[in-house]
Amino acid sequence: EAGVVQSPRYKIIEKKQPVAFWCNPISGHNTLYWYRQNLGQGPELLIRYENEEAVDDSQLPKDRFSAERLKGVDSTLKIQPAELGDSAVYLCASSAAGLSGNNEQFFGPGTRLTVL
Amino acid sequence: AQSVTQLGSHVSVSEGALVLLRCNYSSSVPPYLFWYVQYPNQGLQLLLKYTTGATLVKGINGFEAEFKKSETSFHLTKPSAHMSDAAEYFCAVSPSGAGNTGKLIFGQGTTLQVKP
Repeated sequence: EAGVVQSPRYKIIEKKQPVAFWCNPISGHNTLYWYRQNLGQGPELLIRYENEEAVDDSQLPKDRFSAERLKGVDSTLKIQPAELGDSAVYLCASSAAGLSGNNEQFFGPGTRLTVL
Repeated sequence: AQSVTQLGSHVSVSEGALVLLRCNYSSSVPPYLFWYVQYPNQGLQLLLKYTTGATLVKGINGFEAEFKKSETSFHLTKPSAHMSDAAEYFCAVSPSGAGNTGKLIFGQGTTLQVKP
């Protein structure tokens, strides 16, 4: 079974530039998560999708961040414009069921963003 | 609000020695509890989880953890460290019961170093 796929793995951009990250979850997983992991920290949830619906985006900085999950499969996270403080690893995860909090989340390898 | 505290950002043990990584949580009701491991440049992998039932939970790679409600703790142990155990370890909680949202709240992480 293929795992969670993310691309690109690494991205270096100048501040004020836009950037986008792509995630393909495990086949059949309805729930998709985007996390941000700052250096030396644990991941923090940005947004959670149940199929196409964003059911928790309370931690997403909506002035510059946006996300979509068309057709309830792949997802894209975008930052426009990027700021120096956005440098982090962006992790995508998926799980099999909806609101069952004890379901295992499977994580992708992440995209390491560096903003210069 | 729920929170997770991992005591010790860096733990160093000798190969063959006991591994003990500490995790305490704050929650009004017992949450679901997880330990994840992260190897360099990789995503997080679930080691073990506690939801209900037996408080001593066994996971992969010889790790186990015990849920102690009275101490609000979920410490991770392994009797004998192996060089391949060197990695970053994250404790996480997820609200249970009526507050179940599937959202994971992570601790800051503990880096485990294994010396030959």
